[in-house]
Amino acid sequence: GIQVEQSPPDLILQEGANSTLRCNFSDSVNNLQWFHQNPWGQLINLFYIPSGTKQNGRLSATTVATERYSLLYISSSQTTDSGVYFCAVKGTNAGKSTFGDGTTLTVKP
Amino acid sequence: DAGITQSPRHKVTETGTPVTLRCHQTENHRYMYWYRQDPGHGLRLIHYSYGVKDTDKGEVSDGYSVSRSKTEDFLLTLESATSSQTSVYFCAATGSGANVLTFGAGSRLTVL
Repeated sequence: GIQVEQSPPDLILQEGANSTLRCNFSDSVNNLQWFHQNPWGQLINLFYIPSGTKQNGRLSATTVATERYSLLYISSSQTTDSGVYFCAVKGTNAGKSTFGDGTTLTVKP
Repeated sequence: DAGITQSPRHKVTETGTPVTLRCHQTENHRYMYWYRQDPGHGLRLIHYSYGVKDTDKGEVSDGYSVSRSKTEDFLLTLESATSSQTSVYFCAATGSGANVLTFGAGSRLTVL
């Protein structure tokens, strides 16, 4: 099946700093999503982005499907951005999504 | 928001006992999924359903069974719970386009 690798595994920032999280995948995809899991365990969809670029406030994401990676940008980070960020992809011949192991982000005040 | 509720939210049980987790959605979504989340493993798919009475295995299906007798309900059953099934279980759903996964709040299961 498709392999998904996220980097870095852990990231510690000061409040106000910017960051880039990466998701690499091993095959063609027709679905890619970014999720945030907050410290209470809730999983929230951030972006559905199989290709192209999207922005939502301080967050933006870019997927370059031909090169098999996606990037999640967080600008002017806040303590509420802390948590785990997951990338989930669905291969073009797959019926379900595969998750990466996540990036744990800690934003310090 | 797919309006997904999971029950129970927390359960402690003993090895060898049967356990059923329930997922209920209110948006008439076609696809439903059960994942487990363990430290160091992210989320792994247990079983999924693509319609009433239509289910298939995920990557970690051993020891689990599922049933979907109604569109809104997807049940996950551990016939005889083992300590290795201690985990947090998440239900998710998507519509016919199967594009955006929406998750429930999770069910924390501890098997002693």
